[in-house]
Amino acid sequence: RKEVEQDPGPFNVPEGATVAFNCTYSNSASQSFFWYRQDCRKEPKLLMSVYSSGNEDGRFTAQLNRASQYISLLIRDSKLSDSATYLCAGLKNNNAGNMLTFGGGTRLMVKP
Amino acid sequence: EAQVTQNPRYLITVTGKKLTVTCSQNMNHEYMSWYRQDPGLGLRQIYYSMNVEVTDKGDVPEGYKVSRKEKRNFPLILESPSPNQTSLYFCASKLAPYNEQFFGPGTRLTVL
Repeated sequence: RKEVEQDPGPFNVPEGATVAFNCTYSNSASQSFFWYRQDCRKEPKLLMSVYSSGNEDGRFTAQLNRASQYISLLIRDSKLSDSATYLCAGLKNNNAGNMLTFGGGTRLMVKP
Repeated sequence: EAQVTQNPRYLITVTGKKLTVTCSQNMNHEYMSWYRQDPGLGLRQIYYSMNVEVTDKGDVPEGYKVSRKEKRNFPLILESPSPNQTSLYFCASKLAPYNEQFFGPGTRLTVL
């Protein structure tokens, strides 16, 4: 089983819709989690970090559930420009603390 | 401008012909990593480096070498490329384990 798993989608939603992605992780030693956004043929860029208490940045809300070992990303009032692939990543607490493990990504397509 | 650069951006080569993909960052980051991204498999870490002269294997190191002789550069070396190394490669850097990770623009490699 992969350490970080996501539903690849695609999620096709109309503009203005609310959409949520989940990401499950299998390594309970993961210390920190992140959501990255990747546009087609471009590099991933950090969207937001995920804190245990949950965090919100405008239309985006991230949550971490350690008991069930999943993180979520909620996008409200979807825009056409939100169309992209969303990658979740977990940082292992290994000797270096540097191993960022990514899920396969969830593709979102927002339609007019 | 703070950035991670990679060269070349695109490369088509033949089996067995040694190649090097360069990576450079101008943010004085300690940590640097190489990833490959393949359809259905997501981003997988090849090698990472915590500082000058300190490198370690990631999840898929076979067939690759790296070096970190100076902080800003982290080249990826394929001594004898094979077709299964055809992929999209990303270099990344960050200041410390829990900081944002910045990615380079990617190198699309095709090995015939």
